[in-house]
Amino acid sequence: AQSVAQPEDQVNVAEGNPLTVKCTYSVSGNPYLFWYVQYPNRGLQFLLKYITGDNLVKGSYGFEAEFNKSQTSFHLKKPSALVSDSALYFCAAAGGGNNRLAFGKGNQVVVIP
Amino acid sequence: NAGVTQTPKFQVLKTGQSMTLQCAQDMNHNSMYWYRQDPGMGLRLIYYSASEGTTDKGEVPNGYNVSRLNKREFSLRLESAAPSQTSVYFCASELSSYEQYFGPGTRLTVT
Repeated sequence: AQSVAQPEDQVNVAEGNPLTVKCTYSVSGNPYLFWYVQYPNRGLQFLLKYITGDNLVKGSYGFEAEFNKSQTSFHLKKPSALVSDSALYFCAAAGGGNNRLAFGKGNQVVVIP
Repeated sequence: NAGVTQTPKFQVLKTGQSMTLQCAQDMNHNSMYWYRQDPGMGLRLIYYSASEGTTDKGEVPNGYNVSRLNKREFSLRLESAAPSQTSVYFCASELSSYEQYFGPGTRLTVT
């Protein structure tokens, strides 16, 4: 069965500092990997995806993620965090012809002014 | 282009009551999904529909039924609501290769 782990419940970072949100996955075959962001009382918004190609994927709002096959990780990064980046971030993965996306439990990011 | 829309936004039910959550998408996507979101548990798949006329169970289907009315619409029905079904419900549709787009959600409380 496929699964996604987001090991930290909350990530606190000072405004202007680099932000990293961790994700590891377990899927069969080649992975399809995604990051979504959820602002309070809103639906999930697509940030970026990895399907194939360059291991460093760039997405919306200055976010990027690095695919590491050997570590089965897909960490989300932003070089300089903004207060407006405070939100809930979800990692998701699918693979092996299973048409179901597995989500992690989410990470609350708090950017401190 | 509204994307994925859901109605209602909020609902309070008493135990045993029934209701239908509505979802529609205007992106001409084939696949549609219903999830529930509970604190600390991420999103769990209730049912999905790979195409018009087909539906399949997800991870937590008990207590729910679905109807894929046409390509645009995918509804979720609670026949006899229970307090354990208090949650936020999200509908999503899929562009391709698992890339999903979500509606704004329905906050359901069952008392």
